[in-house]
Amino acid sequence: NAGVTQTPKFQVLKTGQSMTLQCAQDMNHEYMSWYRQDPGMGLRLIHYSVGAGITDQGEVPNGYNVSRSTTEDFPLRLLSAAPSQTSVYFCASSYGGWGATQYFGPGTRLLVL
Amino acid sequence: GDSVTQMEGPVTLSEEAFLTINCTYTATGYPSLFWYVQYPGEGLQLLLKATKADDKGSNKGFEATYRKETTSFHLEKGSVQVSDSAVYFCALSDHRNKAAGNKLTFGGGTRVLVKP
Repeated sequence: NAGVTQTPKFQVLKTGQSMTLQCAQDMNHEYMSWYRQDPGMGLRLIHYSVGAGITDQGEVPNGYNVSRSTTEDFPLRLLSAAPSQTSVYFCASSYGGWGATQYFGPGTRLLVL
Repeated sequence: GDSVTQMEGPVTLSEEAFLTINCTYTATGYPSLFWYVQYPGEGLQLLLKATKADDKGSNKGFEATYRKETTSFHLEKGSVQVSDSAVYFCALSDHRNKAAGNKLTFGGGTRVLVKP
């Protein structure tokens, strides 16, 4: 099992550019989510999905878009990158039960100039 | 809304010292509580968890007890090693509904550095 994989590992964007952060899991998990990690702020939830075709907003959704067409994949789209989106992005998945353990990917470090 | 507060770091210790990282929370009802650890250059991984009051989670010599009366979930280890150097995150998920049960609210993280 590869677990949760994310690509790319590192990306530099210019303000206004768009890009997609990829996330995939091979554990047949129902639940997937995206977090951003900023210094001193822990991780904050951007968007999440409780199954294929179902997504919802988290704490900081503005400027990001998601879709879930398959159980395995949950891409995160930045529509028009801004310097405030410079961060480390983590994808996570879980089987979906109460108090379930979240499995995290290795992260994507994004720098927006 | 839900929130988690944990002590700010960095915490610098010598090998074999005792480690405590305080964590308190605010939540509706009775959440599940977690400690996640992030080693340098890696993603987060679960260290331990507790899903109801008075439960004790333990793993790799670390322990934390779910204290409802003080809304706390302090992390402890009796004798740390250099390999325990990492950032530790306290987190909760509430039980309002199934989706909420999988959404984590994190504290700010505590960096721990263990020196030989």
